[in-house]
Amino acid sequence: QQQVKQSPQSLIVQKGGISIINCAYENTAFDYFPWYQQFPGKGPALLIAIRPDVSEKKEGRFTISFNKSAKQFSLHIMDSQPGDSATYFCAASNAGSSNTGKLIFGQGTTLQVKP
Amino acid sequence: SQTIHQWPATLVQPVGSPLSLECTVEGTSNPNLYWYRQAAGRGLQLLFYSVGIGQISSEVPQNLSASRPQDRQFILSSKKLLLSDSGFYLCAWSVGLAGRVWYNEQFFGPGTRLTVL
Repeated sequence: QQQVKQSPQSLIVQKGGISIINCAYENTAFDYFPWYQQFPGKGPALLIAIRPDVSEKKEGRFTISFNKSAKQFSLHIMDSQPGDSATYFCAASNAGSSNTGKLIFGQGTTLQVKP
Repeated sequence: SQTIHQWPATLVQPVGSPLSLECTVEGTSNPNLYWYRQAAGRGLQLLFYSVGIGQISSEVPQNLSASRPQDRQFILSSKKLLLSDSGFYLCAWSVGLAGRVWYNEQFFGPGTRLTVL
């Protein structure tokens, strides 16, 4: 019940296309859903995050869509660029009730944007 | 501003040798601290986390251990390395409960690439 399942494992998109990565969770106590971006040889960095009281959050070309009833959330990268080529991790936590700050990470998606 | 440091950046060690990786955070107090391991092309495996000095929780039983001797210092150790300990080790911090808003963003360090031969 603590797992977050992420798909696909890898994704190849043409420049200018839309990249979509999906995640699903079971624990209804989760109340914080971030996405992290990791470039090779670097630590992950927060890209965008959402709370379950909204269905969508947009920051520039990056959008999180959240479906509370389906317990699913997804990352959409519009107008994908070669510089977006990286590994993306979704995560979840019950930030409101936990003092540990632990995040449950998905397995990661390696995105390649072809020029 | 807050900064997280890890060293060394890369390390090559023989099987059976000891290990000590260090992580320090600047610019914040009472952070939560985390050690992750990332095998090549794989996801993030949480190894240990700490909510305070001397308070260590282990997520995965193994031959690694962690210690937090100071508020902003987190150390990952092993007495005898195994081949399977190779990987990319990441330290991260988040705001402790007392200072947290609704989210608990984790900030990752630059990582240590460990190769056990």
